[in-house]
Formats: sequence, C-alpha cells, structure tokens
Amino acid sequence: GAGVSQSPRYKVAKRGQDVALRCDPISGHVSLFWYQQALGQGPEFLTYFQNEAQLDKSGLPSDRFFAERPEGSVSTLKIQRTQQEDSAVYLCASSSVFGGASTHEQYFGPGTRLTVT
Amino acid sequence: AQSVTQLGSHVSVSEGALVLLRCNYSSSVPPYLFWYVQYPNQGLQLLLKYTSAATLVKGINGFEAEFKKSETSFHLTKPSAHMSDAAEYFCAVSDRVGGYNKLIFGAGTRLAVHP
Repeated sequence: GAGVSQSPRYKVAKRGQDVALRCDPISGHVSLFWYQQALGQGPEFLTYFQNEAQLDKSGLPSDRFFAERPEGSVSTLKIQRTQQEDSAVYLCASSSVFGGASTHEQYFGPGTRLTVT
Repeated sequence: AQSVTQLGSHVSVSEGALVLLRCNYSSSVPPYLFWYVQYPNQGLQLLLKYTSAATLVKGINGFEAEFKKSETSFHLTKPSAHMSDAAEYFCAVSDRVGGYNKLIFGAGTRLAVHP
C-alpha cells in the first residue's frame, strides 16, 4: 500500500509569498503530525490532528503558519508572507491510532523542502 | 519537559566495525524512546522503540538499543557496520503530556561508513 505522500517535494518561494504544502496520509490513519526540520537539525513538532480536529498547534512558530485537515484525511500546511527563516524541510507523519497510544509508530512522508529567497 | 541529546554530530566507522550512536534523554515521566533513520531525500524510518517492556530492544537491519534508566541513556548499536548503514540517525522521546505521541528529536548523528 501507499505510504505518506507530500507535495510538492521542492518549493522555492520569494520572500513575502504565500505557500501551501500538502500531505496525504496513509488511508484510514486518524492521527496526523507536521514537523519542521531546519538544515542540520532534528525535526521539531508543529501541530497535531486527530481526524479533522487540530488538538495541538503549540509548535507553530507564528501566526503566519496555519494548518487544516477539513475532512480528516488530506492536510495542508499554509505559510503566509514567507520569510527566509521559514526555509526548512516540512515533514508530515501519520499514525493509525488515536493519540493516546504513544507506542504506535508514526509513518513519515518524504518531506517538502521549502527554500525562501 | 522532555529533551534529547545526541553526542557526536558525525560518526565515522569502517565497514565491519561496531557502530555506537549515543543518546541521552531527559523526561519527567517514564519515557518512550525511539530511534529513526533518515536516508537522503527520504522521510524518517523507525528503527526501534522502547516502551517500558524489555530494556534491550532489537530493531531492523541488525540494530539494537539498551535503555539504561540510571544513565538516562538509550544508545544505538550494531555489531558490524555495512556500507548501506550510512545515513542520519535521530533519537527521539515521546512527550505524552497531551496524551498523544508528540516526538521530541535530538539534533541527529550522521553516520559515515568507509571501506
């Protein structure tokens, strides 16, 4: 079966542009996470969805970042008025169970590499 | 708050030599710990996880890790390195405060394997 897919794989944006990054989780997975991975760093948590409900957005770095998952499947991470510090790889991960099952594996997509010039 | 420290951003070993990647954690609750591997231009793949069962955990590709509470460590080892093991490795602890599996990652260790 298909894994987690993300699109686009690469995105170059001029400073000030808006971007939208898409995540297609594994079919049926109820939990969806977004992480940001800066160059040479480990991934950092951005936000968490359980089905369509955004239960945690504590990692979003500013109000320019917005995520949604309106039908509980595909998710979009939107960044408004991009800045150079937004340049990073954005990773999406999904999990088959509700968030309370902390032992369960998160399956990661290949990421979207965003470069802001 | 949970945190992870990976000692050594780069490790280089010869093919066939022991691989040892170090990870220390800080957690206010009994931790769940994970090792992930990342190949270039790919997402993270789970190698193994510790979830309060056996302290010695075996994973894929011949890797294993031992949870040592007294040392707050979860080092990753492999007896004999293969060229295909060259990748970036991340240790992570699960922040379960919110009741879900928010992962806190270390900065990563890049493993190079030379002939």
